[in-house]
Amino acid sequence: DVKVTQSSRYLVKRTGEKVFLECVQDMDHENMFWYRQDPGLGLRLIYFSYDVKMKEKGDIPEGYSVSREKKERFSLILESASTNQTSMYLCANRAGLNTEAFFGQGTRLTVV
Amino acid sequence: KNQVEQSPQSLIILEGKNCTLQCNYTVSPFSNLRWYKQDTGRGPVSLTIMTFSENTKSNGRYTATLDADTKQSSLHITASQLSDSASYICVVSARYGGSQGNLIFGKGTKLSVKP
Repeated sequence: DVKVTQSSRYLVKRTGEKVFLECVQDMDHENMFWYRQDPGLGLRLIYFSYDVKMKEKGDIPEGYSVSREKKERFSLILESASTNQTSMYLCANRAGLNTEAFFGQGTRLTVV
Repeated sequence: KNQVEQSPQSLIILEGKNCTLQCNYTVSPFSNLRWYKQDTGRGPVSLTIMTFSENTKSNGRYTATLDADTKQSSLHITASQLSDSASYICVVSARYGGSQGNLIFGKGTKLSVKP
């Protein structure tokens, strides 16, 4: 069974804290993605990575950074959390163009 | 601009009834279209994929259709069950660029099945 594992299901952080969201896959896929999902807005792409140490900005990268030191792990970093980053964060991976995206279970982050 | 529009935004039906969800897209050039099911508080899971040449595809009680000429897709759920309560997201792949960011997501239809 394929696995995309996000480190936390629920997270509560204070404004200004540095936050790390971890995603690990066991599918040996090159491409990994971070999305945020908000009511009425759907999924929006924050960052993606198509290889180790490679990263590309998505549609809403402001306030976020990422790290991909190993193929199986893709981390999303909130340098200084703010209340408008309260959201559901979803990690995904794909083998290549036009292939299925596999999602993690999501991390519900609340910034207070 | 590439867009995916879904309707209705939300839907309430009684258990055992059928329903149809709609997806219209303006993505070009088109590669494929997937329907995902997302249970509350979970990540989306793929239900079915439609390519340009396919008109209909079934997965159990779920049947997806695609009209590539009118750029419309539908997801029909037969004999609904309480476990069908979820959001259903239409995702279109554009045939351009790399594999990274060519997915265009609809905002989803929230389906509630009541006993």
